[in-house]
Amino acid sequence: DGGITQSPKYLFRKEGQNVTLSCEQNLNHDAMYWYRQDPGQGLRLIYYSQIVNDFQKGDIAEGYSVSREKKESFPLTVTSAQKNPTAFYLCASSAGGAQPQHFGDGTRLSIL
Amino acid sequence: EDQVTQSPEALRLQEGESSSLNCSYTVSGLRGLFWYRQDPGKGPEFLFTLYSAGEEKEKERLKATLTKKESFLHITAPKPEDSATYLCAVQGLSGSARQLTFGSGTQLTVLP
Repeated sequence: DGGITQSPKYLFRKEGQNVTLSCEQNLNHDAMYWYRQDPGQGLRLIYYSQIVNDFQKGDIAEGYSVSREKKESFPLTVTSAQKNPTAFYLCASSAGGAQPQHFGDGTRLSIL
Repeated sequence: EDQVTQSPEALRLQEGESSSLNCSYTVSGLRGLFWYRQDPGKGPEFLFTLYSAGEEKEKERLKATLTKKESFLHITAPKPEDSATYLCAVQGLSGSARQLTFGSGTQLTVLP
């Protein structure tokens, strides 16, 4: 089945540690996105990529980094510079233009 | 700056009691308006895309409509399995063509 796979489902970070969230899609979509969801708030865009080896900052990129070396993969690293990383992280992809974004089932990140 | 406001924040219905969810938006040129359903601990599931005022889309008990200022998600004779958070998002013509602006969602509970 075509879709978006995020792993792990739950992740714990220690102080000063960088952690990487995985996102893989087999929909052959060009565009991929990372969002952060906090209780009672809408999804906020962290980074997005329209093609391989290119990505742009979203509204809340500070403390995060990404790479796009393959069309299928768009990993997100939460660095130690992100002081409030506890949140639900969602990865999405789309075919572009005004086509809808399709989401994975998220990774919940907590602080130890 | 694109803005999306959803109301009410929470809605409790009896099974079979029809109602509507509202999504008010401001955008400098609408490329598309999107409705999603999100279950607890899951990623948003795409429901509808609306592109122009007057457009309507239906799926089972759900019907989405669009005007120049707002969209409604009508739920007819809801069932308990319709309980979820419903998210609205817009894609404007200004800025990055790929970015969506999300509302905070309406949490719907349908009681048996």
